[in-house]
Amino acid sequence: SQQGEEDPQALSIQEGENATMNCSYKTSINNLQWYRQNSGRGLVHLILIRSNEREKHSGRLRVTLDTSKKSSSLLITASRAADTASYFCATDKGAQKLVFGQGTRLTINP
Amino acid sequence: GAGVSQSPSNKVTEKGKDVELRCDPISGHTALYWYRQSLGQGLEFLIYFQGNSAPDKSGLPSDRFSAERTGGSVSTLTIQRTQQEDSAVYLCASSLADVSPGRFFSYEQYFGPGTRLTVT
Repeated sequence: SQQGEEDPQALSIQEGENATMNCSYKTSINNLQWYRQNSGRGLVHLILIRSNEREKHSGRLRVTLDTSKKSSSLLITASRAADTASYFCATDKGAQKLVFGQGTRLTINP
Repeated sequence: GAGVSQSPSNKVTEKGKDVELRCDPISGHTALYWYRQSLGQGLEFLIYFQGNSAPDKSGLPSDRFSAERTGGSVSTLTIQRTQQEDSAVYLCASSLADVSPGRFFSYEQYFGPGTRLTVT
């Protein structure tokens, strides 16, 4: 069953703009992770945020977590063409696996 | 250091044939995961290994699918009597894991490049 659901399903912006993607989930979690996937192959881990954390930064990435609303957001600032990819959130419920959402397809236009 | 590797990178097989997919995890990673991704879809969890044990096989789509892991390292995913609906990219990932009785705490997963399986 789907735990994380990303919103929007697709996002197209101009280079230099900020991109925000959201993830909602249904049950309590240990942590939530964001991954990027280029060209439908291997995923790259971006950020892990634990349930007792509210915000984390990594370079141009900012992730927030609101456990009361069961939601997370990924913000990419000053977007670049190389940021074009699919972005997935994944939740760890302590059930020995990550459950991935369907992803947001981000396109950065030059 | 070396990342997760998978072989083959592409596999085309005829319906009804058996296929074996291989995953070499990052050295020292005790947890290993198999996922399947169909065209334009999210990742579907298949199976998870902690060491050589697979506590959760509930994601395997049918009894035609099986997986094993030996020596706490290499894992193989076997699909018997392949069907066209088995066509997908099969992704393997490994991670550190903090496991204690009744508890599992995951760390970031490192993914291999995947095996694209096409059943004709």
